[in-house]
Amino acid sequence: LAKTTQPISMDSYEGQEVNITCSHNNIATNDYITWYQQFPSQGPRFIIQGYKTKVTNEVASLFIPADRKSSTLSLPRVSLSDTAVYYCLVGRSYGQNFVFGPGTRLSVLP
Amino acid sequence: NAGVTQTPKFQVLKTGQSMTLQCAQDMNHNSMYWYRQDPGMGLRLIYYSASEGTTDKGEVPNGYNVSRLNKREFSLRLESAAPSQTSVYFCASSEVAGGTYNEQFFGPGTRLTVL
Repeated sequence: LAKTTQPISMDSYEGQEVNITCSHNNIATNDYITWYQQFPSQGPRFIIQGYKTKVTNEVASLFIPADRKSSTLSLPRVSLSDTAVYYCLVGRSYGQNFVFGPGTRLSVLP
Repeated sequence: NAGVTQTPKFQVLKTGQSMTLQCAQDMNHNSMYWYRQDPGMGLRLIYYSASEGTTDKGEVPNGYNVSRLNKREFSLRLESAAPSQTSVYFCASSEVAGGTYNEQFFGPGTRLTVL
């Protein structure tokens, strides 16, 4: 069971780039790295997923080094609406191998 | 498309009462999941159903039962509610079980309080 470690909370200001790093030292060969975003009183929402190197979509970028023991979610030019909890998950797909930790609570300040 | 829907949105039970949380998805997904989220915590998997006709225990299955009624619907039952089951319950679905990762789509949640 791949366990992840990420900061409990982070603060940023509007317009800044935010990088949230997740450690997953015992990631398995077949595991993917996935990030979800959760706003208060809502279910989590998928942001981005990757296996190695760099992945970018319209919302974020995900950087994964060659050893895959960590990953960094990068949010460019955050706004107040990006205030949320961000979860890093490691696993193949579902079931007991797919675990949501406490996440990182990002607060974006004006 | 409504996505994943859950009923009820809120529920208050007394200790020992039973109830069923309903979940339905209209995305033709094979896999469905039930999670609980306690205040300030991440989500914990209760049960999941990789495909119609199958169910498996997750991280915290004790005190719960599930039924995969058909491909669309996955219900969660509390037979004898306890205060420790006070939580927000989320249902989710995804395209295919196993293989590469498939995005999970979450419902709006059911906020349950057990007195």
